[in-house]
Amino acid sequence: QVQLVESGGGVVQPGRSLRLSCATSGFSFSSSGMHWVRLAPGRGLEWVAVTSYDGNDNYYADSVKGRFTVSRDNPRNTLFLHMNSLRTDDTAVYYCAKGSLSGDLTGYWGQGTQVTVSS
Amino acid sequence: DIQMTQSPSSLSASVGDSVTITCRASQSINNYLSWFQLKPGKAPKLLIYAASILQGGVPSTFSGSGSGTDFTLTISSLQPEDFATYYCHQGYSVPYTFGPGTKLEIK
Repeated sequence: QVQLVESGGGVVQPGRSLRLSCATSGFSFSSSGMHWVRLAPGRGLEWVAVTSYDGNDNYYADSVKGRFTVSRDNPRNTLFLHMNSLRTDDTAVYYCAKGSLSGDLTGYWGQGTQVTVSS
Repeated sequence: DIQMTQSPSSLSASVGDSVTITCRASQSINNYLSWFQLKPGKAPKLLIYAASILQGGVPSTFSGSGSGTDFTLTISSLQPEDFATYYCHQGYSVPYTFGPGTKLEIK
């Protein structure tokens, strides 16, 4: 069955970097767009980024543009989120999610990985 | 960017009640509207996509309608497990966006 498992979260100081991974199985990863979405404490869901099936088209929320980069390794069925210049308001649970044929979110999500940005 | 609003922001209801949540987009998004349910410690759960199509495995007590800019999620005959926070989401154009959420609480 479809599985998505995030890893790489942790506690990091403001201004530092972190890389999240999302290992997938059970579907054709190399044919699927993939998303990152986050849930910050006391705030709602926020869409973060999407990458096309081949990684050539990437889009970001204004709040992370220029600081975060989404990438993928299709042979390893793995999605990444490279987060630079982290700020305290980046503290959140980060989820990866499979995209639909139209590019939108589907019902396949990981369980999330916690990122805490604190000095 | 397309802004999404939801009303109400919170709602109290009893088991067995029917409730409706409204979502509005700042511009037309055709029917590229999804509804998600969020419970503490769990991944968001897709309930409705393409404005009105029920995701597999979701009870038929959930229904969605609308197109263009105005959408609704209706939950008929509320069950205890339905008390959660609900988000609408537009997948029409990037940056994709969520509404601010509606918290459904037990009265």
